[in-house]
Amino acid sequence: DGGITQSPKYLFRKEGQNVTLSCEQNLNHDAMYWYRQDPGQGLRLIYYSQIVNDFQKGDIAEGYSVSREKKESFPLTVTSAQKNPTAFYLCASPRVGPGELFFGEGSRLTVL
Amino acid sequence: DQQVKQNSPSLSVQEGRISILNCDYTNSMFDYFLWYKKYPAEGPTFLISISSIKDKNEDGRFTVFLNKSAKHLSLHIVPSQPGDSAVYFCAHQGGKLIFGQGTELSVKP
Repeated sequence: DGGITQSPKYLFRKEGQNVTLSCEQNLNHDAMYWYRQDPGQGLRLIYYSQIVNDFQKGDIAEGYSVSREKKESFPLTVTSAQKNPTAFYLCASPRVGPGELFFGEGSRLTVL
Repeated sequence: DQQVKQNSPSLSVQEGRISILNCDYTNSMFDYFLWYKKYPAEGPTFLISISSIKDKNEDGRFTVFLNKSAKHLSLHIVPSQPGDSAVYFCAHQGGKLIFGQGTELSVKP
């Protein structure tokens, strides 16, 4: 059953700590994306990768880092430099049609 | 600057009635317009799309209308069902995908 798996689903961290969110896909897709959802602000693009070993900053990349060492994996690290990290994070990969994205279940990060 | 706006943060509709969700955009260069549906604590799922060369696309209870002169997009759900209660995002694809802020639809039995 092909899909995108995000983990953990819920995560708590203390201020000043880095945290890494996992995103794994078995769709054999080249492209992968990370979005952030905040109430009333829709989905905003953090980073995206079109192919292994390559990635680009999205609209709100500051305070985040990614890697793309394997096609199946696109982990996102929320660093201590991110001023407001509490949010719902979504990993996605393109489907067939233009603009159509297949999303994971999301990870909710709460900074205490 | 590419902008997509959903000016109504919430909408409440009676079961069986029509739900109309609206979206405005600023950039006329967009090629595709899409609607996504999102339940709490889940990822969004693609619902329906429309190409900029069309003005209407229908899929079962869901119809999307595109008014290019007004730069306006709407999603009609008829008849509305309680299971339709979710947050709906419109999005425009024209180089990159831009999402609106979302409208939370509540369908009451």
